[in-house]
Amino acid sequence: GNSVTQMEGPVTLSEEAFLTINCTYTATGYPSLFWYVQYPGEGLQLLLKATKADDKGSNKGFEATYRKETTSFHLEKGSVQVSDSAVYFCALRQGAQKLVFGQGTRLTINP
Amino acid sequence: DAMVIQNPRYQVTQFGKPVTLSCSQTLNHNVMYWYQQKSSQAPKLLFHYYDKDFNNEADTPDNFQSRRPNTSFCFLDIRSPGLGDTAMYLCATYPFGQETQYFGPGTRLLVL
Repeated sequence: GNSVTQMEGPVTLSEEAFLTINCTYTATGYPSLFWYVQYPGEGLQLLLKATKADDKGSNKGFEATYRKETTSFHLEKGSVQVSDSAVYFCALRQGAQKLVFGQGTRLTINP
Repeated sequence: DAMVIQNPRYQVTQFGKPVTLSCSQTLNHNVMYWYQQKSSQAPKLLFHYYDKDFNNEADTPDNFQSRRPNTSFCFLDIRSPGLGDTAMYLCATYPFGQETQYFGPGTRLLVL
């Protein structure tokens, strides 16, 4: 079945550091891919998405490129801020209606 | 403007005492979901509605039930909560044929 594997956390960085959170997937066909962010005590917010190979999703300085050849959708940001501290979930859309989530990566940014 | 609203945000209940969680949406989306998210884990889909059609996940315990009286509202009923049901419960909506699910802020349930 379809699955998503994320980089093991937690990840701790200093402010203004470069961020990469790895995400790889296993799926039949060409699923849509998503990154969701969850701030402490809150629900999930869509951060960015890509619907086909080579698409780049971007939002709030975060980027991720849909790489079919490596089945990856790594999340990157050039300069992180303390306010980026959260849990990040990679996900794919399976069939018409369901999301399959990775296990989540907790990110902490220190000032 | 809130689009997916969950009430209450925090709920404490006793072991075995039924509890109902509420979700409402202003988006008029035809698909609504309930997820369970335990501490430091990914959300786990419990069930979803496509309009009035109910779709239960195979591993969702019978203790969890749902109702969707109209497009805007969906309820999660836990008939006899156990300590292991302590979790965040997330509601989400989805406009069929598009790409994105929209999540509510969640209800944090504590079973004592």
